[in-house]
Amino acid sequence: GNSVTQMEGPVTLSEEAFLTINCTYTATGYPSPFWYVQYPGEGLQLLLKATKADDKGSNKGFEATYRKETTSFHLEKGSVQVSDSAVYFCALSGILTGGGNKLTFGTGTQLKVEL
Amino acid sequence: GAVVSQHPSRVICKSGTSVKIECRSLDFQATTMFWYRQFPKQSLMLMATSNEGSKATYEQGVEKDKFLINHASLTLSTLTVTSAHPEDSSFYICSARGLAGAFEQYFGPGTRLTVT
Repeated sequence: GNSVTQMEGPVTLSEEAFLTINCTYTATGYPSPFWYVQYPGEGLQLLLKATKADDKGSNKGFEATYRKETTSFHLEKGSVQVSDSAVYFCALSGILTGGGNKLTFGTGTQLKVEL
Repeated sequence: GAVVSQHPSRVICKSGTSVKIECRSLDFQATTMFWYRQFPKQSLMLMATSNEGSKATYEQGVEKDKFLINHASLTLSTLTVTSAHPEDSSFYICSARGLAGAFEQYFGPGTRLTVT
């Protein structure tokens, strides 16, 4: 089956610092990678996604490029803000038996941004 | 749009009792709902997938008689943890998907279950 490995946290950065959260995966077939974000007290929200090799997903200043040759989908942001403090989950789609899609998640990386 | 709620947000129960957790899609009809379990500092692990009006499909290793899932309407799915034990203490998260064939899942805020 699929598996997702992402860097452990917590990651603590100063405001306006550069962020990278690494995510690598093992998978069969043609999976699609995602980044989800969970703000304190809220549910997971889709942050960005990619559907094919070399696709770059972007949203709210965050970017990630789907690299099939390195099986990676690292999350980056050039200048983080305090409001970006949250837990970030890398996930990979797979195919459920009988159709549909299921997600395989990484362990999550907590980001703390300080003034 | 696409809001999913869970109730309760936290529950404490005694060992041997049963607990029901509700998952509701508030502004859309959910043809498919997913139930996940999350241990501290670990991944979300898919427990089961339920389609409205049919039996849930459980992931390997998940006891279907212990974790009863009902998806009786397009806006409500319930997870009942039967005869709960301390090892069932965990964070349970549901998600819902709208149109058949659509991919995106919308997640609830989770329910923290503590079994004493």
